[in-house]
Amino acid sequence: RKEVEQDPGPFNVPEGATVAFNCTYSNSASQSFFWYRQDCRKEPKLLMSVYSSGNEDGRFTAQLNRASQYISLLIRDSKLSDSATYLCVVSSGGFKTIFGAGTRLFVKA
Amino acid sequence: GAVVSQHPSWVICKSGTSVKIECRSLDFQATTMFWYRQFPKQSLMLMATSNEGSKATYEQGVEKDKFLINHASLTLSTLTVTSAHPEDSSFYICSAREGREAFFGQGTRLTVV
Repeated sequence: RKEVEQDPGPFNVPEGATVAFNCTYSNSASQSFFWYRQDCRKEPKLLMSVYSSGNEDGRFTAQLNRASQYISLLIRDSKLSDSATYLCVVSSGGFKTIFGAGTRLFVKA
Repeated sequence: GAVVSQHPSWVICKSGTSVKIECRSLDFQATTMFWYRQFPKQSLMLMATSNEGSKATYEQGVEKDKFLINHASLTLSTLTVTSAHPEDSSFYICSAREGREAFFGQGTRLTVV
């Protein structure tokens, strides 16, 4: 079993749609959780951290369920510029960071 | 935010030669840096954890004699791909953490011909 697993994608959605990505992790000792965004042929960049209480940043909402070892990302009112690969990232002790395979999102006009 | 600089951004080399990739943390000190490899349409795969002043820790299946890592200072880690072969062609990217956030270099696209 992979340490971090994500929805396979790709997700093809129209502008304005709401889309949700899911991610599960296997290491119950994981401490930090993030969503990163990666554009084609570019390095990943932090989209948002994920906290147990859930957190929101504009159109983006991230949630963490430690009991189920599950992380989610919700994007509301999708924009064309949201088209990218979204990486679920889990960090254990010692700064080791594990990436999910990524979910590709295509937002079309 | 913190900046991680990686050089070169792309390199083409002949099969059998060695290629060195540098990763620098520009405005913070990084005792630990990470090296990843990404094949087209695939996830970032952790290759090794680079520790300043000590040996790197390699992930299972990564040949330490082929991918030499040196972390001689708090701001510089290097990855050398030795005796490169076409199957080593990939996108190599380094990362360093400051606080909770991981910052990435721009990546190096290696093509071995």
